[in-house]
Amino acid sequence: DAMVIQNPRYQVTQFGKPVTLSCSQTLNHNVMYWYQQKSSQAPKLLFHYYDKDFNNEADTPDNFQSRRPNTSFCFLDIRSPGLGDAAMYLCATSRDAGLAGGPTYTQYFGPGTRLTVL
Amino acid sequence: GNSVTQMEGPVTLSEEAFLTINCTYTATGYPSLFWYVQYPGEGLQLLLKATKADDKGSNKGFEATYRKETTSFHLEKGSVQVSDSAVYFCALSDQGQAGTALIFGKGTTLSVSS
Repeated sequence: DAMVIQNPRYQVTQFGKPVTLSCSQTLNHNVMYWYQQKSSQAPKLLFHYYDKDFNNEADTPDNFQSRRPNTSFCFLDIRSPGLGDAAMYLCATSRDAGLAGGPTYTQYFGPGTRLTVL
Repeated sequence: GNSVTQMEGPVTLSEEAFLTINCTYTATGYPSLFWYVQYPGEGLQLLLKATKADDKGSNKGFEATYRKETTSFHLEKGSVQVSDSAVYFCALSDQGQAGTALIFGKGTTLSVSS
C-alpha cells in the first residue's frame, strides 16, 4: 500500500542536542509538509517543499530546518531543541496541480513522531 | 483570513447514539473541506472530504455535506461505536493554491462508552 512513513515514532533528545526526524513516502507526491502539533492543539504548518522549492511559514523559528534530498524523503532538523519544542511532528504529502490552477489535492499524513526534550 | 470553528468538546455518547459535530468556516473563494480523525498517539487519518458546494463526503458511516449558504460542514454518524472514540478535526484548504497549509479547527474529542 502506498503510504507516508515516519521514523522514529518516538524520539527523546536532550535540551540543545540536535535531532533529525525522517519522513518517506511511496505516493510519488510532489509536495511534502511538516506540521507541529502540541498537546491538545491543532497541527500547525512549519514549512513545505513544493518539488525542490522550500517554503517556510513566516512564524517558524530559525531553529527548525528541513531537507529534501529526493522526491521520496524529507527531513526535519531541530538544531537546538528547547523544552517548548516537545510535540508531535507530522509529515504530510499531496499532489498539487501547480500554479496554473486546478484543485488542491488532499494531504495524507504519516503516523507522526513524538519528540520528548529532557 | 481563512478560519475553521468547531464545537467545543469533549463529546460523550453511549454506543449506538447519533453523533453531530458542528463545523463552520470562513474563507475567500471556494475551499475544499475535510474531516480528519486522530486516534490516541497516532497521526491524522483522512475521514472524508468535499471539494465543492453540495458535495457529500462519506466514509465508515460518517457523512458531511458542504453547505456554502451556511458555510458549514457538520460531521454526522447515525450510530457510534466505542472504536469511534478519537479526536476529530475539521479543516479547509484553498483550491488552486499549491502547497497551502490546511487550516484546522481546534479539534473535538469524542468519547463513546458501551
